[in-house]
Amino acid sequence: DVKVTQSSRYLVKRTGEKVFLECVQDMDHENMFWYRQDPGLGLRLIYFSYDVKMKEKGDIPEGYSVSREKKERFSLILESASTNQTSMYLCASSSPPVYGYTFGSGTRLTVV
Amino acid sequence: KQEVTQIPAALSVPEGENLVLNCSFTDSAIYNLQWFRQDPGKGLTSLLLIQSSQREQTSGRLNASLDKSSGRSTLYIAASQPGDSATYLCAVSTDSWGKLQFGAGTQVVVTP
Repeated sequence: DVKVTQSSRYLVKRTGEKVFLECVQDMDHENMFWYRQDPGLGLRLIYFSYDVKMKEKGDIPEGYSVSREKKERFSLILESASTNQTSMYLCASSSPPVYGYTFGSGTRLTVV
Repeated sequence: KQEVTQIPAALSVPEGENLVLNCSFTDSAIYNLQWFRQDPGKGLTSLLLIQSSQREQTSGRLNASLDKSSGRSTLYIAASQPGDSATYLCAVSTDSWGKLQFGAGTQVVVTP
C-alpha cells in the first residue's frame, strides 16, 4: 500500500525551539509539498520540491525552511518556533504527468 | 491569482439522498482539478482527479464533472451513507509543478 508517512502525529514545542517535521514517501514521486491548514484559512502551501536538493517557496514560506537530501524524504524546519506556527502540517507527494496527490496523515503542532 | 470557492460551506442530508457539492474557480487555465475527502483531525484522501482535457470522472458512487469554460466542477455522491460524513475539498492545479490551490471545503453530515 503506497503511502506518505509523517513522523509525528502530535508535537508540542516551546517558543524559540528549532523544530523538524519529517515526511517520507514510498512512491518514487518527483514532487513533494508542505502545506499548513488553519481554521478559516484553509490549506496554504509553505514550500515544495521538484527534485533532490531543489526547493521553491510557496505562498507562506516566512519562518520556515526545507531540506530534501534524498528523493523519498522532505523535511520542514521551523528555525525558531513561534505561537503563530501552531497548526496542522500536511505533507504530500505527486509526480508528472498526472500529478495525482497523496497526502500524509498530518502533524498537529502546538507551540507554547 | 487563482481563487477556488466551494458552496455550500456545510450540508446536512438524510441517508439515501444524493449529495451535490459545488466548486468554482476564477482562472480556466488549469492542468487538473482534484476532489479530496478529509475526516476530522486527519490527512486528505484523494477521491477523483479530472485532467483539463476531461469532462468527468467516476469512481463507484462518486462522479465529478468539469466545465473549464465556466470555471465549475460538481461532485455527485449517490445514495449517501453516514460514512460519507466528512469535509470535501476541491483543488485546482494551475502550473507544471502540480501545486494546488484549495477551496475552503464543504462539511457534509449524513444522518441515519
